[in-house]
Amino acid sequence: QKEVEQNSGPLSVPEGAIASLNCTYSDRGSQSFFWYRQYSGKSPELIMFIYSNGDKEDGRFTAQLNKASQYVSLLIRDSQPSDSATYLCAVRDDSWGKFQFGAGTQVVVTP
Amino acid sequence: NAGVTQTPKFQVLKTGQSMTLQCAQDMNHNSMYWYRQDPGMGLRLIYYSASEGTTDKGEVPNGYNVSRLNKREFSLRLESAAPSQTSVYFCASLGPTYGYTFGSGTRLTVV
Repeated sequence: QKEVEQNSGPLSVPEGAIASLNCTYSDRGSQSFFWYRQYSGKSPELIMFIYSNGDKEDGRFTAQLNKASQYVSLLIRDSQPSDSATYLCAVRDDSWGKFQFGAGTQVVVTP
Repeated sequence: NAGVTQTPKFQVLKTGQSMTLQCAQDMNHNSMYWYRQDPGMGLRLIYYSASEGTTDKGEVPNGYNVSRLNKREFSLRLESAAPSQTSVYFCASLGPTYGYTFGSGTRLTVV
């Protein structure tokens, strides 16, 4: 059974600080990794994807991938109250587009 | 450009009743998916359709059936609802390069 693991949180972050979210996955052959943000009562929305080892930056978000350690992370810089949400880590499972999702990490940004 | 449209948004069923969840996408995507989301368990794949005319089981298909009516539409049917099917259901479609686009979700309660 392929697994994607995340700390459930909540992760409490002061406004303006960096939020660091972690995700590990079990399938060493995985190639594509995604971060989704989900506000309460809403559907997930894609915020980042990463395919190669290293860092990928998009605005205040940075995704980090280490395939050797089977680890992917998301950094949110200058955290804002609007960043308060659950963040889902997802790993693309195969060529048919199936994804394995983690259970999500709840982030709470406190003013 | 609506993206992925799901109906209904909310539904309450009695045990043993049947219903169909509708999903349509206007992005000309080949692949469509049905997930359920339960607290603490993340998103789990019920069924998927990699292309028009094909459907396959995902991780939790028992109690469900699907129909890929055409390229745009992918419906999920509960033939005899059970309380264990109380969940939030998301339809998603997958484009050629990036992650899923999700519908707004259906909150289903089976009493």
